[in-house]
Amino acid sequence: DAKTTQPPSMDCAEGRAANLPCNHSTISGNEYVYWYRQIHSQGPQYIIHGLKNNETNEMASLIITEDRKSSTLILPHATLRDTAVYYCIVRPPQGGGADGLTFGKGTHLIIQP
Amino acid sequence: NAGVTQTPKFQVLKTGQSMTLQCAQDMNHEYMSWYRQDPGMGLRLIHYSVGAGITDQGEVPNGYNVSRSTTEDFPLRLLSAAPSQTSVYFCASSHPGSGADTQYFGPGTRLTVL
Repeated sequence: DAKTTQPPSMDCAEGRAANLPCNHSTISGNEYVYWYRQIHSQGPQYIIHGLKNNETNEMASLIITEDRKSSTLILPHATLRDTAVYYCIVRPPQGGGADGLTFGKGTHLIIQP
Repeated sequence: NAGVTQTPKFQVLKTGQSMTLQCAQDMNHEYMSWYRQDPGMGLRLIHYSVGAGITDQGEVPNGYNVSRSTTEDFPLRLLSAAPSQTSVYFCASSHPGSGADTQYFGPGTRLTVL
């Protein structure tokens, strides 16, 4: 799986958009970008994924650059409950993650009241 | 759907004891995995299974055994607990599909080995 680089921590004011960057300069053509988050003491939670196009769901938006070497996860209106560690993961479509996900240390996002 | 459930939530063992961490899912997912997470670290894969009767090793399999007799259950056995196995253990399940790699995680089991 391609290596990813994320800032170790970020702050964001409540109600503002939180923009979390991820660099994946060695990404291969068939590798997807996934985002998960882990709220303190809980299991990781899937947020969103994409291949080339920008994606949006009820939780977040994912912006992938045209060269696919970086991406940004956007939480449009951050709340205190969004405080968590956010993981950016790049991997090929192995049909359900048969050999698991590779979690780095992620970005600790702290939403300030 | 209950999703992925894990029992127990907390466990304290003495060195050398054995125990089984239970994991069950009701989503009819073919793939299941076990991870451990040490303080301040990301998750590391212990064992995984792509279907009933099929298991394989992940990144850190030593000291753990798994079996998959049914689609729903994927227990993790600690053969002889050691303090180095003190960690939070997460079970996950997923279903092979159209390229999506969405894994669903359980709430975790917090294990302390004295």
